[in-house]
Amino acid sequence: DAGVIQSPRHEVTEMGQEVTLRCKPISGHNSLFWYRQTMMRGLELLIYFNNNVPIDDSGMPEDRFSAKMPNASFSTLKIQPSEPRDSAVYFCASSLNTGELFFGEGSRLTVL
Amino acid sequence: AQSVTQLDSHVSVSEGTPVLLRCNYSSSYSPSLFWYVQHPNKGLQLLLKYTSAATLVKGINGFEAEFKKSETSFHLTKPSAHMSDAAEYFCAGIQGAQKLVFGQGTRLTINP
Repeated sequence: DAGVIQSPRHEVTEMGQEVTLRCKPISGHNSLFWYRQTMMRGLELLIYFNNNVPIDDSGMPEDRFSAKMPNASFSTLKIQPSEPRDSAVYFCASSLNTGELFFGEGSRLTVL
Repeated sequence: AQSVTQLDSHVSVSEGTPVLLRCNYSSSYSPSLFWYVQHPNKGLQLLLKYTSAATLVKGINGFEAEFKKSETSFHLTKPSAHMSDAAEYFCAGIQGAQKLVFGQGTRLTINP
């Protein structure tokens, strides 16, 4: 299995631009998580899905952030418009409801 | 709600000496607890997990952790550090159904 695949690995954009981060979970996993990692705040759970349905989005910072999971093999996290304070590494993870998460290698976002 | 606290932001040991990374949890019920490792520019990888089957849990790469209810602790240990153990380590616990919440992380440095 290829593991959790995230794209892009690196993104540099200007303030105000739309950013879309993509995730392909491990085949057969039924839960998907989006985390954000910064030096100041550590690892924060933004949102998670179970069977493609959003279960808890209480960690989504504000309306500029949105996430979708149109099918079991694909999810997106969108930021529109982006701001410099959104600069972080965004991780996607998937699991089989066991609490054991499998993480992708992350998408490093820099907003200038 | 369960939370985890990592007591040290940075631990430095010499190669070949024991490693101790400390984690305390707060919960009114038996928790599910995890240790993850993150190498530079990589996603997190599960080291081990506790799910009330046995208080001493063995993980990958020679790491183990002991669940101590009386101390509300789940410290990570390894008898002999290797240079390749240098990384960031995260303690985590389940909050609610399957929301994994992470501690702030402990950066482990190995001195030659």
